[in-house]
Amino acid sequence: VQLLESGGGLVQPGGSLRLSCAASGFTFSNYAMSWVRQAPGKGLEWVSTFTGRSNTTYYADSVKGRFAISRDNSNNTLYLQMNNLRVDDTAAYYCAKGSSRSYDFDCWGQGTLVTVSS
Amino acid sequence: EIVLTQSPATLSLSPGERATLSCRASQSVRGYLAWYQQKPGQSPRLLIYDASNRATGIPARFSGSGSGTDFTLTISSLEPEDFAVYYCQHRSNWPLTFGGGTKVEIK
Repeated sequence: VQLLESGGGLVQPGGSLRLSCAASGFTFSNYAMSWVRQAPGKGLEWVSTFTGRSNTTYYADSVKGRFAISRDNSNNTLYLQMNNLRVDDTAAYYCAKGSSRSYDFDCWGQGTLVTVSS
Repeated sequence: EIVLTQSPATLSLSPGERATLSCRASQSVRGYLAWYQQKPGQSPRLLIYDASNRATGIPARFSGSGSGTDFTLTISSLEPEDFAVYYCQHRSNWPLTFGGGTKVEIK
């Protein structure tokens, strides 16, 4: 099982980025997939989840209305479209695979760093 | 939102000692609690799911217990590679939340 994130970088406040997570080694469409972030020197914060079968999405209040999670099951890829970025969105963003219980995480990517700064 | 409070924030112990970490929920999460380990510069790793079940490949010195609002992660005898930060996370309802973490450091 492997998850490989990409798309991070430096962006100005109010800007946009799209993160990608390429998955391999498991049947991607069967599992919930999530994004979890970690601000520098801080703890883990759940951001968003896309369920495996019901195609339902969930968001943390801190990103609701600004971020959009999506998935392409034909290409085994998870996305996070981030709009109207704020300085406090600065963090490493991890892609995480849901376990068989869906909403804990049994595999994590290496993370991609998003820096929001003017 | 369910708030998970971990204590202590830092635990200073020597290799071979027993570590006891606490995670308290602001309301019942039933048994839907997981524990993760994160070492510097690495991604988190799932240790325990549903309060007391070890994830694949996790050594037997790691054990979890509890239900409802009070949970414990125990490391029976610390190995050098166990010095890290540990997080709890619930999946009882939305939003999912993590605790603030406990750092286990070498005394």
